[in-house]
This record gives sequence, C-alpha cells and structure tokens, in this order.
Amino acid sequence: SSELTQDPAVSVALGQTVRITCQGDSLRSYYASWYQQKPGQAPVLVIFGKNNRPSGIPDRFSGSSSGNAASLTITGAQAEDEADYYCNSRDSSGNLWVFGGGTTLTVL
Amino acid sequence: QVQLQESGPGLVKPSETLSLTCTVSGYSISSGYYWGWIRQPPGKGLGWIANIYHSGTTYYNPSLKSRVTMSVDTSKNQFSLKLSSVTAADTAVYYCARVLLGVASDYMDVWGKGTTVSVSS
Repeated sequence: SSELTQDPAVSVALGQTVRITCQGDSLRSYYASWYQQKPGQAPVLVIFGKNNRPSGIPDRFSGSSSGNAASLTITGAQAEDEADYYCNSRDSSGNLWVFGGGTTLTVL
Repeated sequence: QVQLQESGPGLVKPSETLSLTCTVSGYSISSGYYWGWIRQPPGKGLGWIANIYHSGTTYYNPSLKSRVTMSVDTSKNQFSLKLSSVTAADTAVYYCARVLLGVASDYMDVWGKGTTVSVSS
C-alpha cells in the first residue's frame, strides 16, 4: 500500500501535550520522518528514524512507532508550534515515497 | 551550511515542458545523498515527485513517471527536473531537497525555499 493517513486537524492548549499520528502499511517496514510547515515557508524536518531530532529542533518534539502507525508528540506545545505537520515514508515496495495528507495543529 | 535554490520559469503553457533546476551550495552532490523534488499544489499537501543519486540512479513517482525526467550535473553541482505535457493540475510550489536513504529510515533534511510554477495559457 502507498498511503499514509493523518487526521486533518488537531488542537492543543498552550503548554499541553499533543500527539499527531500517521497510519500506513509501509510503517511496519520503514520509520516515518516528520516535517513542520508554516504558512508560506518550506517544510522543515523535525523527526527522523526511530526518534531523532535534527540540530536546532527543540527536545519537546519526539517520535515513536508501533505496528502500522507512527506518532509525533509535542510535549508542552508552544504558540510557535502552530503549523502543518506531514509524515513521510517509503511505500512497501521500497521504490517510492509517500507523504501523509498533513495535520494542521492549532495551539489554543 | 548546505543550501538549495530552485530556479526556472514561473509560468508554463499547457502541453509544454516544465523545467526546473536546483543549485546546491555548501555540499558536493557527488559526495553522496540522494536529491529529490517535491511539489505542493495551492492549498494542498506535499507530493513526492522523484529522487536521484549522483550516479544517475532514479526513482520516480509512478503517477508521473511517463512525464518526469530527473538529471544531475555534477560539474555545476545542480540537479534538474523536467515534467512534460503539463496541465493546470501541475500548478504548484516545487521544492528540491537533500534526501538520505537509510536501511529503514529515510529523510529530507535540507529543503530549498520553493519556486511557484503556474500552468496557464
């Protein structure tokens, strides 16, 4: 299967914890990578691999996976975390890459 | 610091070929990594187009494969995208990115700022 499914929208109160999920068969074989995109800007990698953050990404961002699902967790969400978040992975064939439909995070 | 910069026409006529170039600075394309193109139609999500290695190995999105060609010019430290027979559905912001392919973990760690391409007569 070459689909990754994300909830279209999620909201979180300032300072609280939020989990954004991504589901797809390929996640049983490949870790998801996660990207944050703010309006008018290019995506930024926030999580890759089992649970790795690029330099400069706050440690409130973390990743996990189980079965056919991957999650991005923001512990203590900040106003600046309001953005669209996309997961990405290879599909099960290993020869093409798929993005999830994206989740719009609103910080209340 | 690795930087990527997309360039190309902002307007393409229907049925013509869209051509974009990504210029890489701060890193030699020949040193490794794959290089990719991703696009985002207005108000929609990200869509993977293709990846290429400096040796020329390519992966194409099957939904675009008959129309897409990627190439690398190591002498200019650039890679390019050609998309033929474009329609209005190809109107999008096009991003280039550096792509690491791992055993079970891939990621796009550096992105260009994106270039807007409109398909219209």
